[in-house]
Amino acid sequence: QQQVKQSPQSLIVQKGGISIINCAYENTAFDYFPWYQQFPGKGPALLIAIRPDVSEKKEGRFTISFNKSAKQFSLHIMDSQPGDSATYFCAAANAGNNRKLIWGLGTSLAVNP
Amino acid sequence: NAGVTQTPKFQVLKTGQSMTLQCAQDMNHEYMSWYRQDPGMGLRLIHYSVGAGITDQGEVPNGYNVSRSTTEDFPLRLLSAAPSQTSVYFCASSYRTGTGGRGYTFGSGTRLTVV
Repeated sequence: QQQVKQSPQSLIVQKGGISIINCAYENTAFDYFPWYQQFPGKGPALLIAIRPDVSEKKEGRFTISFNKSAKQFSLHIMDSQPGDSATYFCAAANAGNNRKLIWGLGTSLAVNP
Repeated sequence: NAGVTQTPKFQVLKTGQSMTLQCAQDMNHEYMSWYRQDPGMGLRLIHYSVGAGITDQGEVPNGYNVSRSTTEDFPLRLLSAAPSQTSVYFCASSYRTGTGGRGYTFGSGTRLTVV
C-alpha cells in the first residue's frame, strides 16, 4: 500500500518548458513534505520542502504547491534545463513516526535541449 | 567536511557469502538509516538508528543486520547474500531543517550484485 503516490513515472519536457510532478498522500498526520533530486550514480539530495501551513514555497526555479484539502502537493520546475534531467522523489513525514520519510516511487525527468 | 561516506562503491558477491557495507558520517547527526533502491520501487527503508546503541527495523529488514556503536558509524551486514539482495544501497543521516522537518544527506551508494 503506497502511502505517497507519485505521478507521472516519467516525463519529457522541452528546454524552457515547465515540468510538473504530482504527489498525493493519505495520512493527514503528515506535516513535512520534501522533494529530493537524484542524478545517475548519486544519492538523492534535498531540493525543497514545505509544511502544510503554507500553500506554496518557491526557491529559484523550483516551486512546491500544496493543497491540504485535496491531500496533494506538486513540484513545478520553471524554465526547465537539460541539467534538471534527473529522478525526482516526493516524500512525507510526521513527528509521530520519528520523522521517517515515506517516499514516492520517483519520476524520471528528461529535459530535451 | 566529507558528509556521508559509503564503502565499497561496487561489490559482487556469491550467493551465501556475507559482507558488511560501511557508512560513516562526520556531521554529528543522531539519525541514520539504510535504504535499498530498486528500479520502479523507489527507496525502501531497511534499518534505521535514532542514536548510538539504538536501532530499529524498517520495511525490508530481512537478511540484514545493523549496529550503532558510535554516532559516526552505521554498518549494514548481509548475513547470507541472495540474488534478491542485488540492489543499490544508500546510507543517509538526517538533520533538522528550518522548516521543522528532517533533511537527509545521502551517501553516493553501494552497487551490490549477488550472483
